[in-house]
Amino acid sequence: GAGVSQTPSNKVTEKGKYVELRCDPISGHTALYWYRQSLGQGPEFLIYFQGTGAADDSGLPNDRFFAVRPEGSVSTLKIQRTERGDSAVYLCASSPTTSGNTGELFFGEGSRLTVL
Amino acid sequence: AQSVTQLGSHVSVSEGALVLLRCNYSSSVPPYLFWYVQYPNQGLQLLLKYTSAATLVKGINGFEAEFKKSETSFHLTKPSAHMSDAAEYFCAVTFYSSASKIIFGSGTRLSIRP
Repeated sequence: GAGVSQTPSNKVTEKGKYVELRCDPISGHTALYWYRQSLGQGPEFLIYFQGTGAADDSGLPNDRFFAVRPEGSVSTLKIQRTERGDSAVYLCASSPTTSGNTGELFFGEGSRLTVL
Repeated sequence: AQSVTQLGSHVSVSEGALVLLRCNYSSSVPPYLFWYVQYPNQGLQLLLKYTSAATLVKGINGFEAEFKKSETSFHLTKPSAHMSDAAEYFCAVTFYSSASKIIFGSGTRLSIRP
């Protein structure tokens, strides 16, 4: 597709359930990022992939959060045993460069997660 | 620790007035700096970036920002505000030594009064 695609756009779940959020980056982009944005806050870094491997996962808040990118393209963010505090908009971004420091991030519109 | 601070969570200006959105960074190494904009119901998009070339950077839609090392600042300006500039603006920073994280500020919501 022309841009970064995230599905679902909206997800409502109950506390304790498992959730998967999908990101389809721009074709050919090697770098893929996940961020979390809570109301009134800026995007908070979660994890960064370079190809298939997680180059930096220091932003994942705890072991309930996990992300994969098995073929170096589509990525899935997985959240186990969801808590109300996980409610946020989860943003995915991709970049054509191998280094994020000079590259532009192309963001999707986000997946809004609400945990009841 | 590496960080950015945006002063003012909400800025309101009249149409045609100067826009000034403030951003200060904290870093012990040379930074790369960005401004992103988020229009309602849209994803974030890059406005402009500083990557150690010219200190005055021009971006899209008439915005520009100046890197001032002595003040550790990267403020965003536009001489004359348009109604279409109403959006959320985020300052972001990364560092040459870090080929991964791009750290965002908390954002400034810009409102334009007719």
